[in-house]
Amino acid sequence: SQKIEQNSEALNIQEGKTATLTCNYTNYSPAYLQWYRQDPGRGPVFLLLIRENEKEKRKERLKVTFDTTLKQSLFHITASQPADSATYLCALNDYKLSFGAGTTVTVRA
Amino acid sequence: GAGVSQTPSNKVTEKGKYVELRCDPISGHTALYWYRQSLGQGPEFLIYFQGTGAADDSGLPNDRFFAVRPEGSVSTLKIQRTERGDSAVYLCASSFGTGGDGGELFFGEGSRLTVL
Repeated sequence: SQKIEQNSEALNIQEGKTATLTCNYTNYSPAYLQWYRQDPGRGPVFLLLIRENEKEKRKERLKVTFDTTLKQSLFHITASQPADSATYLCALNDYKLSFGAGTTVTVRA
Repeated sequence: GAGVSQTPSNKVTEKGKYVELRCDPISGHTALYWYRQSLGQGPEFLIYFQGTGAADDSGLPNDRFFAVRPEGSVSTLKIQRTERGDSAVYLCASSFGTGGDGGELFFGEGSRLTVL
């Protein structure tokens, strides 16, 4: 069956450090992968998209990698700030978007 | 409006009652999605519309759930004979294209349904 697995544990890091989140998938052949941010009580907000032929994508302090051989994406938040505290969701397409359970990140000042 | 609008934001109902949740997508977006999200889980796909037609309703859990989009804009998710297990946040999203072309989804704030 198809599965999307994200870090099961919440991530607690010190301000200024880099947060690294993983997204592993099985039985998908996605043409692209997306990352979303979700704050409590709010809908998810799109952050980044990476295509299957791209190894890495950057946007400001965010970096995403996509390894279709390992069936894995890594999401990095560099120079983290307390405002980065949220749940981060990865999503894969198979003509509709399917989401992982998310990883909750807390950045301590 | 500027974003995806969902009403009501909160709905409390009794087991066995009928519920309607409404989604007003971003103007011009042809694709519309309904997801359901339980606490601590990611959004779970329910149904996808391209225009007026349901392109994929494979995520609807059973025949108590039904959704329409009669004019290709506003959509209504209908739940009959609600059960306590239906309690969740129902999220609506819209996009320009389809899930297959990488279009980002724009989500509403959700409708929180509580079935007592």
